[in-house]
Amino acid sequence: EDQVTQSPEALRLQEGESSSLNCSYTVSGLRGLFWYRQDPGKGPEFLFTLYSAGEEKEKERLKATLTKKESFLHITAPKPEDSATYLCALGGGSQGNLIFGKGTKLSVKP
Amino acid sequence: KAGVTQTPRYLIKTRGQQVTLSCSPISGHRSVSWYQQTPGQGLQFLFEYFSETQRNKGNFPGRFSGRQFSNSRSEMNVSTLELGDSALYLCATTTLAGSTDTQYFGPGTRLTVL
Repeated sequence: EDQVTQSPEALRLQEGESSSLNCSYTVSGLRGLFWYRQDPGKGPEFLFTLYSAGEEKEKERLKATLTKKESFLHITAPKPEDSATYLCALGGGSQGNLIFGKGTKLSVKP
Repeated sequence: KAGVTQTPRYLIKTRGQQVTLSCSPISGHRSVSWYQQTPGQGLQFLFEYFSETQRNKGNFPGRFSGRQFSNSRSEMNVSTLELGDSALYLCATTTLAGSTDTQYFGPGTRLTVL
């Protein structure tokens, strides 16, 4: 069964304290690994798509990487405005849908 | 380019009523997927429409239904509302059917069932 597990559930960082979020997955046929950011009461905002192991993508303080079993979202020198829930999703669900993890709630304190 | 729009943004209904939610995709996007988001279950797939046809359906009861119009706008309907239907309902659109292309989400409709 296709599955996505994100860890940790919650992460508190001080401003400038770099860290990584983990997304572990099992899938019969990967058709993309997606990262989204979601602010309270809003829809998920697209960040990155990764398609093959070894691929990396960067955007400002965020960098996403992909292996055959995991994806990491690295946050370098975070700022309070990076506080949000970060969602990882698998493409290739049995119904052609995205399969989401439960998310990591990131809080960055000044 | 305008993003995905959803209306209404907030709804309050009582048990037993029905509700219709609307989603207008990004221009040029023909696939519309619907998701339910709750604190306990996270984001769960409801169904996907492409070219006015339902392509895929998640594991939700038949009270949840949808349709798509020729201009790619989509509606979802929930009949005989239950307390557990309280959730954020999100639609996501993409250019083609399937999930290899990036899906872009709307702001959601917050449904509260009393």
